[in-house]
Amino acid sequence: SQKIEQNSEALNIQEGKTATLTCNYTNYSPAYLQWYRQDPGRGPVFLLLIRENEKEKRKERLKVTFDTTLKQSLFHITASQPADSATYLCALDRNYGQNFVFGPGTRLSVLP
Amino acid sequence: NAGVTQTPKFRILKIGQSMTLQCAQDMNHNYMYWYRQDPGMGLKLIYYSVGAGITDKGEVPNGYNVSRSTTEYFPLRLELAAPSQTSVYFCASSSPERGMNTEAFFGQGTRLTVV
Repeated sequence: SQKIEQNSEALNIQEGKTATLTCNYTNYSPAYLQWYRQDPGRGPVFLLLIRENEKEKRKERLKVTFDTTLKQSLFHITASQPADSATYLCALDRNYGQNFVFGPGTRLSVLP
Repeated sequence: NAGVTQTPKFRILKIGQSMTLQCAQDMNHNYMYWYRQDPGMGLKLIYYSVGAGITDKGEVPNGYNVSRSTTEYFPLRLELAAPSQTSVYFCASSSPERGMNTEAFFGQGTRLTVV
């Protein structure tokens, strides 16, 4: 059966360090993979999208990699700040947007 | 632009009652979605629509119904509320095109409790 896993339910890191979150999937062949941020009591907010033929995508302090052989995406936040504390969700996009399938999320806490 | 607007924000229902969760978007997006989010479980797709007049089931459609008579609105109907439907419900929209960005825009959510 199809499955999406994110490396851990919660991750604590010190301010200034790089946070690395993992998204693994099985039995999917996604056209895209996306990362969202969700703050408590709010809806998810889009951060980055990476296509199946792209290895890496960057946006300011964020970097996403996508390895279709390993069926894995890594999401990095460099020079992390307490304001980066949130839950981060990966989502697989099949059929060009007809179906978004989300992972369970990783709750990141950046400690000052 | 308001984006995706959901009403109400909170609701308590008794078992067996019915209600409609409202969702509206002003971005002229063709695609709209309803998700539910339970603690630690991520988002589960209930129903989605690729355009006015077209709807389809997601992963967890039982106990729900939808309609899409216009591009802007995509209401979710609960006919006979059950405690298992206690959850946070999110509506989202997107405008995917082949080879182009397919990010989804989410509403603020409706927190529903069935007692």
